[in-house]
Amino acid sequence: EDKVVQSPLSLVVHEGDTVTLNCSYEVTNFRSLLWYKQEKKAPTFLFMLTSSGIEKKSGRLSSILDKKELFSILNITATQTGDSAIYLCAATGTSGTYKYIFGTGTRLKVLA
Amino acid sequence: DTAVSQTPKYLVTQMGNDKSIKCEQNLGHDTMYWYKQDSKKFLKIMFSYNNKELIINETVPNRFSPKSPDKAHLNLHINSLELGDSAVYFCASSHYPPGELFFGEGSRLTVL
Repeated sequence: EDKVVQSPLSLVVHEGDTVTLNCSYEVTNFRSLLWYKQEKKAPTFLFMLTSSGIEKKSGRLSSILDKKELFSILNITATQTGDSAIYLCAATGTSGTYKYIFGTGTRLKVLA
Repeated sequence: DTAVSQTPKYLVTQMGNDKSIKCEQNLGHDTMYWYKQDSKKFLKIMFSYNNKELIINETVPNRFSPKSPDKAHLNLHINSLELGDSAVYFCASSHYPPGELFFGEGSRLTVL
């Protein structure tokens, strides 16, 4: 059965800390891995990764994919209170048809 | 101009009632989805349509019936509502094969 597992489930840090969020996947005919940030409403897109070893970066956030070991990490440096959110990862693959399989999310709280 | 829009944003109703949620996307995507997000923030796929054809139908009670009149619209009708149906329902869309998944703002359903 396709699955995506995220760790840790929750994390509390102080402003300025660096955090690493983990996402492992087992998905038939893997195609891509996506990261989303969810605050109060809809998940908002952060990154999509399809190739191993190529880091994607946006400001203080970066992400990398390892297709051999079947995982991805999301790094946030110099955290700010505005980074407090649930971070979701999803893997796409196909077992007959394409679908996005979401993990349970990591709830990050950044304290001032 | 909202890319994926859902209405209504909030529904409060009694057990046993029937309700509908509408979704429209103006991104020109081929594929639309319904996800259910429970109180633990887990996003679970319910249905997916590609060019008006149902391609994903997960294990969902048959009280839930999706309808796609055209590829820009996907509606969800729920009969005989139960307490356990209380959740946030997200509509989403993407190209096919999938790249970035775009979410609507969600419809929070509360069944009393």
